[in-house]
This record gives sequence, structure tokens and C-alpha cells, in this order.
Amino acid sequence: EAQVTQNPRYLITVTGKKLTVTCSQNMNHEYMSWYRQDPGLGLRQIYYSMNVEVTDKGDVPEGYKVSRKEKRNFPLILESPSPNQTSLYFCASSTNSLAEPYEQYFGPGTRLTVT
Amino acid sequence: QKEVEQDPGPLSVPEGAIVSLNCTYSNSAFQYFMWYRQYSRKGPELLMYTYSSGNKEDGRFTAQVDKSSKYISLFIRDSQPSDSATYLCAITVGSYIPTFGRGTSLIVHP
Repeated sequence: EAQVTQNPRYLITVTGKKLTVTCSQNMNHEYMSWYRQDPGLGLRQIYYSMNVEVTDKGDVPEGYKVSRKEKRNFPLILESPSPNQTSLYFCASSTNSLAEPYEQYFGPGTRLTVT
Repeated sequence: QKEVEQDPGPLSVPEGAIVSLNCTYSNSAFQYFMWYRQYSRKGPELLMYTYSSGNKEDGRFTAQVDKSSKYISLFIRDSQPSDSATYLCAITVGSYIPTFGRGTSLIVHP
């Protein structure tokens, strides 16, 4: 089954304790992305990756890091989480064909609470 | 001004009603116009997309684009309680980095 998986699905942590949210896709997609979704603000892109070893900032990258060492994985790292990073996080992937608009396949989401 | 504006709602309608969901955008270079549906506690899923001005129909759903007004719509006919979800418009400039609207929450009550 084609899918994007994220782990963990729920996480409660304390300020300053480093954490990693994993994301993996099995569709051989080149493009992967992280979003956060907050009430009233919608989906905001954090980081994206065009392909292995190529990453770039989205709209709200502060406080986050990513890496893309393998095509299928795109972990999101919070080195020192703060309460304002409490949010619902989504990983997404898509092909990067230039011929068609690219359907973004989203993971199930990770609800993060930082106290 | 955000590039894509969408009223967050919520929009509450009775079962069987015709629903109209809308987005406006500011960048005339946008080419592809997509609608995603997001059920509670799930990730968004692509519902349909269109490229040009005009209408595109898929079952009970019709996507409409008016490039001259920079206005896109999603119509749902004979709405069902199972249509209750958040609907996000997403627009691209031919690349694979869509700009999302904030989403409109739709509630269809029996």
C-alpha cells in the first residue's frame, strides 16, 4: 500500500528536550515536505526537499532541522523545543514530474505538545 | 495579503444542500488549482484538480476556476454527513510546492 508514515503519532515533551519525528514514504517520491497546522493559520510549510541531500526552508523554518540522506526518509528534528512549537505536524511527499500537478500524499500527522 | 485566501468557516448545512466553498488568490501566474479534503485526525487527501478556467466535474463535486477574477470554487451537490471535513484549496505555479489556503470547515448535519 502506498503510504507516508510518521512516528510518533502523539508526543508530549518538555521545553528544551531534543526530539525527532520520523517520516517515511514507500512511493519512491523525490519531493518531501514538512508542514505544521495550527487553528486559524492553516498548513504552513517548514522545510522541503527536492531530492536526496537537497533541502530548503519553507515559510516557518525557525527552530527546526531536517535531513534527507535517503530518498524514503525525511526526519524533522527539534533541537530545543519550545511551547510555541506545540502543533499538528504533517509530512508529505510527491513526485516531481513537470508534466502534471503533483498530488501531495500526506502522512497521518503527529500531534506534538511542548510544556 | 496572503497569496491564497480562504474563509475558515465553519460552514454548517443540512444534508442534501448544495455547498459552495471558495478561495481567492493574488498571483496571476498560478496554473493548477487543487482541492484537498481533510477529515478530523487525518492528513489531507487530494480531491480533485483543474488546470484551466471553467468547470470540472467528478460525481457530486464540481471545481470551478475563474482566472479573470482570481477566484476558485468547489461545489458539492446533495451533500452528505460523510462530506463533513475541512476543505483546503491549493494552488501552484507549475511547480510541486503548492500554496495552501487555510481551509474551510464544513459540517453537514442529518
